[in-house]
Amino acid sequence: GDSVTQTEGLVTLTEGLPVMLNCTYQSTYSPFLFWYVQHLNEAPKLLLKSFTDNKRPEHQGFHATLHKSSSSFHLQKSSAQLSDSALYYCALRGSSGNKLIFGIGTLLSVKP
Amino acid sequence: EAGVTQSPRYAVLQEGQAVSFWCDPISGHDTLYWYQQPRDQGPQLLVYFRDEAVIDNSQLPSDRFSAVRPKGTNSTLKIQSAKQGDTATYLCASSFGQGGNTLYFGEGSRLIVV
Repeated sequence: GDSVTQTEGLVTLTEGLPVMLNCTYQSTYSPFLFWYVQHLNEAPKLLLKSFTDNKRPEHQGFHATLHKSSSSFHLQKSSAQLSDSALYYCALRGSSGNKLIFGIGTLLSVKP
Repeated sequence: EAGVTQSPRYAVLQEGQAVSFWCDPISGHDTLYWYQQPRDQGPQLLVYFRDEAVIDNSQLPSDRFSAVRPKGTNSTLKIQSAKQGDTATYLCASSFGQGGNTLYFGEGSRLIVV
């Protein structure tokens, strides 16, 4: 079945350093990939999602590239901000269905 | 545009008690989801509907959990005879269509079972 793997449970960075959160997936079909961000005591909110035409989605300085050859959709940002501290979930939705499957999440902690 | 609305925001129960959570999705969204998010874990799908029909409830503990969406709009998730292991946030989400369409989440209903 479909699955999402996030290998880092916690990433701690100093403000201004680059961010990279890993996400790999397994899917029978060509899936859509998403990154959701969840701040403390809030609902998950969409950060960005993959396109079907290989464009690179970007939002709030974050970007991610879907690499089908390596089944990856890593999240990147060139310079971390304190306000980026949150839980980040990679999620997958198979093209044949509606189920959104989440990874276990990565907690990003940005320190001054 | 109003987002996904859930109530109650918090519930504290003793084991064996029952609780119902209510969700009002974004207007026009045909698909509604219920997720369970235990503390420090990612959301896990319990059940989802397209209009009033249950599409997938394979992860719903059927002996104590039930979910309905009778008119294809609002939905209720009910837990009977709650257990401590049910302690979690219950998230409702909605979307229109499938594939790459975005799921929009409500604020969640936080359940503590003591």
